[in-house]
Amino acid sequence: KAGVTQTPRYLIKTRGQQVTLSCSPISGHRSVSWYQQTPGQGLQFLFEYFSETQRNKGNFPGRFSGRQFSNSRSEMNVSTLELGDSALYLCASSLQGTGANVLTFGAGSRLTVL
Amino acid sequence: GQSLEQPSEVTAVEGAIVQINCTYQTSGFYGLSWYQQHDGGAPTFLSYNALDGLEETGRFSSFLSRSDSYGYLLLQELQMKDSASYFCAAVKAAGNKLTFGGGTRVLVKP
Repeated sequence: KAGVTQTPRYLIKTRGQQVTLSCSPISGHRSVSWYQQTPGQGLQFLFEYFSETQRNKGNFPGRFSGRQFSNSRSEMNVSTLELGDSALYLCASSLQGTGANVLTFGAGSRLTVL
Repeated sequence: GQSLEQPSEVTAVEGAIVQINCTYQTSGFYGLSWYQQHDGGAPTFLSYNALDGLEETGRFSSFLSRSDSYGYLLLQELQMKDSASYFCAAVKAAGNKLTFGGGTRVLVKP
């Protein structure tokens, strides 16, 4: 079966712009999480959605937002981009509703902010 | 706060054994997962411990001691393809949120 699909894979933006990233989870997975990965900060949790509801949120400013649709697909949005937002954004889905020990990650969307 | 500590880098030769330690401080701890990430790739699940003790999956094993807030990943019979970053991650009981360690870069030399 298809894995977690993220689009776009690469994108370049300039400061002040906004960006929307998309994630299609594995069929049947209702939990979708987003992570930011940078060399300096490592893998940091952004938020998690389950059945269209945000269940958990990390320590990121309000410029970072997300949503989940009824088909479990998810999007995240970053507004007023800053240079420090340059990162690999990873989406992960899980079959389990809670306490998931196995997350399946997508290949990520690499964002460069100039 | 919540944090997981692991060594930043380990170098070993093919066929050797490597142990990556992970100590954690986190509330609502449910279990410890391990992920592998090759350069340019996505993290992939390796192993999970919910209970104390050793879990063996082929050449890789993982151990957890809740009383010591400590775990490790053991890589045996190292192969060149094992060169990657390895992350420990604390699984919380509520929701699906993982808190990751900083990652250990394993370099396997011939």
